Amino acid sequence: DSGVTQTPKHLITATGQRVTLRCSPRSGDLSVYWYQQSLDQGLQFLIQYYNGEERAKGNILERFSAQQFPDLHSELNLSSLELGDSALYFCASSRLVDEETQYFGPGTRLLVL
Amino acid sequence: AQTVTQSQPEMSVQEAETVTLSCTYDTSESDYYLFWYKQPPSRQMILVIRQEAYKQQNATENRFSVNFQKAAKSFSLKISDSQLGDAAMYFCAYRSDFNKFYFGSGTKLNVKP
Repeated sequence: DSGVTQTPKHLITATGQRVTLRCSPRSGDLSVYWYQQSLDQGLQFLIQYYNGEERAKGNILERFSAQQFPDLHSELNLSSLELGDSALYFCASSRLVDEETQYFGPGTRLLVL
Repeated sequence: AQTVTQSQPEMSVQEAETVTLSCTYDTSESDYYLFWYKQPPSRQMILVIRQEAYKQQNATENRFSVNFQKAAKSFSLKISDSQLGDAAMYFCAYRSDFNKFYFGSGTKLNVKP
């Protein structure tokens, strides 16, 4: 158990809908990362937040957005969902903004029908 | 842009034997970090080992060790005395100076009893 929690574990929704994925980092960690893992594209870095501020951006679609709250939990919002958004979404955390080691949560499996 | 290549989609090893997983990367940065992550069927990402690029000494964690060749941009993982519990997907990852993470496509390791 890495200490990172993600909810929900599974999510089934329809195309065009909007969902919110939640992540609580390890105690003491200030940095949160979001990743998407789909069958045909491997693990893709989406975005990083540190202490409430966006720090690094990867291949995140404009339909997706994220934020980190004062209590350091983070939410990833996915809107206008498409079939291709079906994937496993991981959250990871680290103590510092540039700490090299991340600890991954168990992931949220999203299925868009 | 940085790329990480794992050229072995799948490998098999006999229990108690040694196996080496390959990883190459492309970068123009001089300072970076490299990682190997394990993803068992539960789909959680587990850190196996990390290597700082400025360190010439290869990292070792119990039965896991790396062969880091900076000039060749190669970062292979050696698993000694393979155990059934080592069966998983293994991902090689690179962390850039800009704190972005890049993952390879993964190598599925099968361990035969």
